[in-house]
Amino acid sequence: EAGVTQFPSHSVIEKGQTVTLRCDPISGHDNLYWYRRVMGKEIKFLLHFVKESKQDESGMPNNRFLAERTGGTYSTLKVQPAELEDSGVYFCASSSLHGKPANYGYTFGSGTRLTVV
Amino acid sequence: AQSVTQLGSHVSVSEGALVLLRCNYSSSVPPYLFWYVQYPNQGLQLLLKYTSAATLVKGINGFEAEFKKSETSFHLTKPSAHMSDAAEYFCAVSEMNTGNQFYFGTGTSLTVIP
Repeated sequence: EAGVTQFPSHSVIEKGQTVTLRCDPISGHDNLYWYRRVMGKEIKFLLHFVKESKQDESGMPNNRFLAERTGGTYSTLKVQPAELEDSGVYFCASSSLHGKPANYGYTFGSGTRLTVV
Repeated sequence: AQSVTQLGSHVSVSEGALVLLRCNYSSSVPPYLFWYVQYPNQGLQLLLKYTSAATLVKGINGFEAEFKKSETSFHLTKPSAHMSDAAEYFCAVSEMNTGNQFYFGTGTSLTVIP
């Protein structure tokens, strides 16, 4: 089966521009997660979708970040306008298990490296 | 609140030597514990997990970790390092009863010297 796919793998944009990251989860996985790793720091949770609904968006840093998952399949994470501190690696993950999926581990994508200059 | 500390952002070992990557956690409730590995240009891959069964957990590629509640530790070990083990390793926790997200450490980059 195909894994979690993220696009693009790298993106370099100027401060103030808009960038949209995409995540295609494993087919049939209802749970989709976004995480971010800022350089040298820990990987931090951003939000969690169950199908098309936002289950938990407590980790979203501010209202410049907008995540969507129309139709409960792929998800996009838009940053508008981008700031320098948004640079980092954005990971997407998916899981098919109901209840407490974190307890069993997710399948992660390879991430999108975002550089804001 | 959950937090994870990984001592040593960079660890170097000789090929064939013991690998020891340290992880300590703080948690107000019993956690589930994980080690993930990221090889260059790849996603995070689950190495092993502790979910309240045996305290010594065996994972893929010869790695294992031992949950020590008294020390709040979950160190990762491998008896003999191989060149292919060079990667970044992340320790993570989730809450056993309510967990739906991981709390990661800052990662340890492992270099294997031939």
